[in-house]
Amino acid sequence: DVVMTQSPLSLPVTPGEPASISCRSSQSLLYTNGYNYVNWYLQKPGQSPQLLIYLTSNRASGVPDRFSGSGSGTDFTLRISRVEAEDVGVYYCMQPLRSPWTFGQGTKVEIK
Amino acid sequence: LQLQESGPGLVKPSETLSLTCTVSGDYISGSSFFWGWTRQPPGKRLEWIGTISSSGTTYYNPSLTSRITVSVDTSKNQFSLKLTSVIAADTGVYYCATERRDSFNYIDQWGQGILVTVSS
Repeated sequence: DVVMTQSPLSLPVTPGEPASISCRSSQSLLYTNGYNYVNWYLQKPGQSPQLLIYLTSNRASGVPDRFSGSGSGTDFTLRISRVEAEDVGVYYCMQPLRSPWTFGQGTKVEIK
Repeated sequence: LQLQESGPGLVKPSETLSLTCTVSGDYISGSSFFWGWTRQPPGKRLEWIGTISSSGTTYYNPSLTSRITVSVDTSKNQFSLKLTSVIAADTGVYYCATERRDSFNYIDQWGQGILVTVSS
């Protein structure tokens, strides 16, 4: 299975400041079509996960543009340009390229 | 589109866990979506379990293949998960969800989740 490793596991943030989460995969997630197959999800407290980013850098419908994704191969990053209070929760990276689809262990973002 | 999981919250070890996901706001039949199950054991990462297409093609996590069955009932607009011979490690929140499995692979809409505890 492809192992997804996130860092940090805990991220205290200050509202208005930027934040970033790293995700590393044990195998390349670059497919022959040129796309890197990494998705990002946010699980807010008491809620189900919600899709933020797909194919490394594409924001899902309704996701604010302060969220952005980048990376290629085995190294990926989710960035929040200016953190807001509503962004707290656990962020997961996920690879949907190789079966079984696998997730990172999660990064808990909380307000300082 | 909304998804709602249902089923028992407590299952005894060695028995079969059976969950149903009721879909509203769209029809499973003929849909381009795929219909999947993901779970989250307490304190652990999310784990994809298995998926079914509207035509009945299934995709299973190899670690669970011998124990799982995902099926669809288009007449009820529902899909289901059966997990046999459950053990304590199968305890967790089980989510049903829609998936895209084209060039944009992702899990899209999630149900609210249902906590299943395996215990005698």
